[in-house]
Amino acid sequence: AQRVTQPEKLLSVFKGAPVELKCNYSYSGSPELFWYVQYSRQRLQLLLRHISRESIKGFTADLNKGETSFHLKKPFAQEEDSAMYYCALSGHGGGATNKLIFGTGTLLAVQP
Amino acid sequence: NAGVTQTPKFRILKIGQSMTLQCTQDMNHNYMYWYRQDPGMGLKLIYYSVGAGITDKGEVPNGYNVSRSTTEDFPLRLELAAPSQTSVYFCASQDYGQGEEKAFFGQGTRLTVV
Repeated sequence: AQRVTQPEKLLSVFKGAPVELKCNYSYSGSPELFWYVQYSRQRLQLLLRHISRESIKGFTADLNKGETSFHLKKPFAQEEDSAMYYCALSGHGGGATNKLIFGTGTLLAVQP
Repeated sequence: NAGVTQTPKFRILKIGQSMTLQCTQDMNHNYMYWYRQDPGMGLKLIYYSVGAGITDKGEVPNGYNVSRSTTEDFPLRLELAAPSQTSVYFCASQDYGQGEEKAFFGQGTRLTVV
């Protein structure tokens, strides 16, 4: 079954500290992995996707197929990073396999 | 290009009432989704559609119905509102298969059933 697990509901760090938001997944095959972010009073939006291998707002995420993980990292947290972060996956092959499944989300709070 | 538009933004329903949450996208996306967001529970998929005329159940479809008569519109129907349906509802669309698999979200509908 497709599943995305984010074990932390809340992660509180101080400004300048490193951040790691954990995401593990269950999928039979090779999924596409995403991180979405929801800032206060804003729409949910894509932060990054594993296939792009890019860094957005200082965040990176590496897909580890052996550990079935896609943790989101940033070396130095900023107050403006405070938001709700969702890990998501979708499959390949067309039709229902491509539907987007989300984890339960982690609220990142960056303290000054 | 308005993206994904949801209406209404807020609604209070009485138990047993019905309503339709509207969702429209102008990006010609094939995939569309309805999610509900409950505190501490994240986003749960209610229904989704892979194209006009095709819909399927997600994780939590009970109490809801959808239709996809056009590519643009994907309304969500609540027939007999219950307090358990108090939530924030998000519609999303995605252009899967065209190299840009990013999903675009509406601004959400906050529904309270009393």
